[in-house]
Amino acid sequence: KAGVTQTPRYLIKTRGQQVTLSCSPISGHRSVSWYQQTPGQGLQFLFEYFSETQRNKGNFPGRFSGRQFSNSRSEMNVSTLELGDSALYLCASRLTSSQETQYFGPGTRLLVL
Amino acid sequence: DQQVKQNSPSLSVQEGRISILNCDYTNSMFDYFLWYKKYPAEGPTFLISISSIKDKNEDGRFTVFLNKSAKHLSLHIVPSQPGDSAVYFCAASGAGSYQLTFGKGTKLSVIP
Repeated sequence: KAGVTQTPRYLIKTRGQQVTLSCSPISGHRSVSWYQQTPGQGLQFLFEYFSETQRNKGNFPGRFSGRQFSNSRSEMNVSTLELGDSALYLCASRLTSSQETQYFGPGTRLLVL
Repeated sequence: DQQVKQNSPSLSVQEGRISILNCDYTNSMFDYFLWYKKYPAEGPTFLISISSIKDKNEDGRFTVFLNKSAKHLSLHIVPSQPGDSAVYFCAASGAGSYQLTFGKGTKLSVIP
């Protein structure tokens, strides 16, 4: 089975712009979660989608949003980018929204200038 | 407030010896724990997990121990190999939510 894929792998934006990141889960997985990794804060949970519905949300401002499509692919959007949004954005998938192991993609490295 | 703590940012071990990575948690509602390994420029790779109904889980060279009363878990790697050099993250879930709460990671260096 193919693993979790994320596009693009690298991205450079400037402050004030918006960005959309994409994630394709492992085939058959219906839950997709997003995480932000920064050197200072480590890995922090952004939100989780299951069957096109947001199930959980972390402590991030409303500039961070996401959605999930009927084929379980997910996108996350960050509007009005700030320098502090520079991070590795990781997507993880699992079969359902219950307590199973999450499998991570390679991440999208976002640099905001 | 950090609910999952990995107090050692780094650890160096000789090849062939045992590596012990530690993790403490504060939320007593956590009931499922995982270890992930991460290489630079890659996403975390799942290593091993343990449910709170167990105190030990083994998978090849990797063993995770859980001490619920101390709210402490550890990952043992025996024998350590140079390819094990990576950042190791401890994660926990439960507390009414299945989202993962991560520690900040421990960088393991296995010296040949």
